This record gives sequence, C-alpha cells and structure tokens, in this order.
Amino acid sequence: DTEVTQTPKHLVMGMTNKKSLKCEQHMGHRAMYWYKQKAKKPPELMFVYSYEKLSINESVPSRFSPECPNSSLLNLHLHALQPEDSALYLCASSQRLAGVQETQYFGPGTRLLVL
Amino acid sequence: GESVGLHLPTLSVQEGDNSIINCAYSNSASDYFIWYKQESGKGPQFIIDIRSNMDKRQGQRVTVLLNKTVKHLSLQIAATQPGDSAVYFCAEIQYGNKLVFGAGTILRVKS
Repeated sequence: DTEVTQTPKHLVMGMTNKKSLKCEQHMGHRAMYWYKQKAKKPPELMFVYSYEKLSINESVPSRFSPECPNSSLLNLHLHALQPEDSALYLCASSQRLAGVQETQYFGPGTRLLVL
Repeated sequence: GESVGLHLPTLSVQEGDNSIINCAYSNSASDYFIWYKQESGKGPQFIIDIRSNMDKRQGQRVTVLLNKTVKHLSLQIAATQPGDSAVYFCAEIQYGNKLVFGAGTILRVKS
C-alpha cells in the first residue's frame, strides 16, 4: 500500500482566513514533505520533516506553517495568504532509511484558491 | 530542475506506438532518479527509478535509460495506450533527499 491521503480536496479561502491542510500516511514512513505546484509547472519543495522534526524549509513565507503531530500526520497551517498562493499543494512521504536516497510517494493534493 | 516557461513540451503519439520522453538533469552529483506520471487533477505517481550505477532499468512496458556523461534521462513506453496520456516528470534526488523535478512533458495518445 503506497497511499498518501490529503484533505480537503479543494479549498477556497479569503486573505484573512485561517485554514489547515492535512496529510496522512500509514506506510510507516518517517519522512514527509510539502510541495507547491502551480499550473503547468513542476512541484516545488516547501518543507521536509524527518522523524517528526523539520529538516528543510525552502525559504517559505511564514504565512505557511507546517506541523507534524506524529509520524503519520502532516499539517500545513495557512494564514493571511495572497492570491498568488493559489496552487495545488502536494504531500509526499518516504521511508527515511539512513544514507539511502528514496522514492517519495505523493498524495492527490489539495487545490487551493485564495480570493 | 527549474521549469522553462509556461508551455510544456508535448509529445503526440499514435496508440500502439512506442513513446520516448527525454529529460536533462542539472546536478552531476545526483545519483538517484525517478520518473513520475501526473494525470489531470491528481498527484504525481511513481513509474520507475534508476540509480547512477545503472544505465538501464526495465519495468512493465517502461524502460529508463541514464546517460551520466551528458546528464540525460529518457523514459520509453512500449505500446502506448490512451491511459498513458499525462504529464511526465523526471526528478533527481539531491542532498537531504530533496527531490528536484524537471519541467515536464505532456504525452498525448491519439486513438
């Protein structure tokens, strides 16, 4: 089973709203990732969590706040977003074996529209 | 791994023909590469991977070729089917298991 689930599938929010995106995997993976994908572009890495600790932040604005409550869950808290933040937000996970580069498995994404 | 503009290259093939999708990668130190397929409205789906100690790897109907000398990857799909229509991304794993995607290629299969 290589399933990563994401909720909600679609989200519309105003620039003053606070919302959260959720991601879950039950593959026992210990690395989880957030990516942002604009239309007709490849996914771009935002954050990496390894063993529930933030290991990479790709200079993402503070209006995006990640959280990893446990090894199966990853959240992305959104506050005071701008219309240009509208995109497909993808979650991924990988095993996180030491010293091994690994396949990342992606969820279906949350399509976010900021008005 | 940066995209090269708003218009993705498109490959149109007839159903049943073989498809070859090409990709140039940026980091000569990268030693693990993955091909993903992304259908409309879905997340990227793993197709096949290859490590730098190999130059060819085969899966079911797919083959990946790696040429480290010119930093080039290709994905070959045999007997292309309508369900293969999607955007295909190559990706290289960089330091910290950071996945960097190529620009992508649209594959359109004509019936």
